[in-house]
Amino acid sequence: GAVVSQHPSRVICKSGTSVKIECRSLDFQATTMFWYRQFPKKSLMLMATSNEGSKATYEQGVEKDKFLINHASLTLSTLTVTSAHPEDSSFYICSAQKTGTGEFLGQPQHFGDGTRLSIL
Amino acid sequence: LAKTTQPISMDSYEGQEVNITCSHNNIATNDYITWYQQFPSQGPRFIIQGYKTKVTNEVASLFIPADRKSSTLSLPRVSLSDTAVYYCLVGATGGGNKLTFGTGTQLKVEL
Repeated sequence: GAVVSQHPSRVICKSGTSVKIECRSLDFQATTMFWYRQFPKKSLMLMATSNEGSKATYEQGVEKDKFLINHASLTLSTLTVTSAHPEDSSFYICSAQKTGTGEFLGQPQHFGDGTRLSIL
Repeated sequence: LAKTTQPISMDSYEGQEVNITCSHNNIATNDYITWYQQFPSQGPRFIIQGYKTKVTNEVASLFIPADRKSSTLSLPRVSLSDTAVYYCLVGATGGGNKLTFGTGTQLKVEL
C-alpha cells in the first residue's frame, strides 16, 4: 500500500491563531510532498512542493511567510498556517510521492484525507 | 504542464459501465496519465495510471490511444458508491514533478 496520514482532520480556532497540519507517509519514504488547498465545489490548487531537507517551492500567489512548510524527514511534512484569519478557512490536503531513482519513475502521488480548517 | 479537458458531469445508473474521456493534446513524452477519485471532504484516491495502450486493475481500466492525446477511464458496473468527482491528471510523475488538477468530472450514479 501507500498510506498517507494527515492530522488533524478538522480544526476550529480563533482568528490570529497559528495552526500546524502534519502529513505523514506511513509505509513508504517520500522525498517530495505536496500541499494543496481546496475550496467548496472547486478543484485542488497546488500551494507548494515540499522537499526533504530543503526549502519548499511555493506556487505563485502563495505567501511563504503565511504558510510555513517544513519537511524534516522522509516521512513527515508540516504546514503551519500562521496568524490565521477567516479567509484562510479551507480544506488543506497533502500528498506524498515514493522516493526512487531514475527520471521516469511512474510513481503517482498518494493523498491524505485532508484537514478542514475553520477560522472564527 | 499539459492541460486536461474532461466533461463537467456525467449521470449513470447502477450496473452500467461508465466511460469518462479526458483530452490532453499537449501531453509530453515524459508524461503519465493518472486518474483519481474524490469523495466530499476526503483527499483524492488513486485509481489507475498508464503511459500507453491499456491498463487494467481491480477497479478500472484505462484506455490510451497511440497518439496519447486522450485517455478514457472505464468503470465497469458502477454502484451508488461510485458517485464522486474523477480527475484526470497528466504529468511526469516521480522525481517531485508537480501535477495540475483540472475541473474534474462529477459522476452521479442513481438506482
